[in-house]
Amino acid sequence: DQQVKQNSPSLSVQEGRISILNCDYTNSMFDYFLWYKKYPAEGPTFLISISSIKDKNEDGRFTVFLNKSAKHLSLHIVPSQPGDSAVYFCAASEGTDKLIFGTGTRLQVFP
Amino acid sequence: DVKVTQSSRYLVKRTGEKVFLECVQDMDHENMFWYRQDPGLGLRLIYFSYDVKMKEKGDIPEGYSVSREKKERFSLILESASTNQTSMYLCASRQGGGGADTQYFGPGTRLTVL
Repeated sequence: DQQVKQNSPSLSVQEGRISILNCDYTNSMFDYFLWYKKYPAEGPTFLISISSIKDKNEDGRFTVFLNKSAKHLSLHIVPSQPGDSAVYFCAASEGTDKLIFGTGTRLQVFP
Repeated sequence: DVKVTQSSRYLVKRTGEKVFLECVQDMDHENMFWYRQDPGLGLRLIYFSYDVKMKEKGDIPEGYSVSREKKERFSLILESASTNQTSMYLCASRQGGGGADTQYFGPGTRLTVL
């Protein structure tokens, strides 16, 4: 059973606009959430994270929002740039050493 | 700069062969992980290790084993490769325990089993 879900396999956004990537989870015990970005032929790289005690974390163009009651988090990228084109994975942990990853969303930013 | 290296970028093996995938990190990290990435399934944890000679099963350990004889090296072993093990294999390392610490990934090994 998939505990972390990314229901949109792909997203296409025009350069300069906002990209919104969504992630839903089922385990209410998750206490930390992360977003990773993956380019082809490279390993994933950490992008941004949020603790369950917060509802928002911002880092430059990237903001993650957490809605615990809805068990939903989202990543906002503003403004989107062509270099943001990649696969984005959300991940969650329950205070253990394991991360549970979602299935990924492929973002394409076009000029 | 953080570095996780994997022994091969591409590997082609035949069904039934024993396959070794090597991962080395230079950050003196305690924890190391092996994942596989498949389309539509995301990253799934195969095995992880807290420390030298210690290992824990992840979500999909069947058909795999691991070895961690030195802190910097974590090996994934396919005892008898099968076609359903064709995948992208990703190694990662992390300093501490808990999800708050960032995992650093290697570039991946794309394994094809014929």
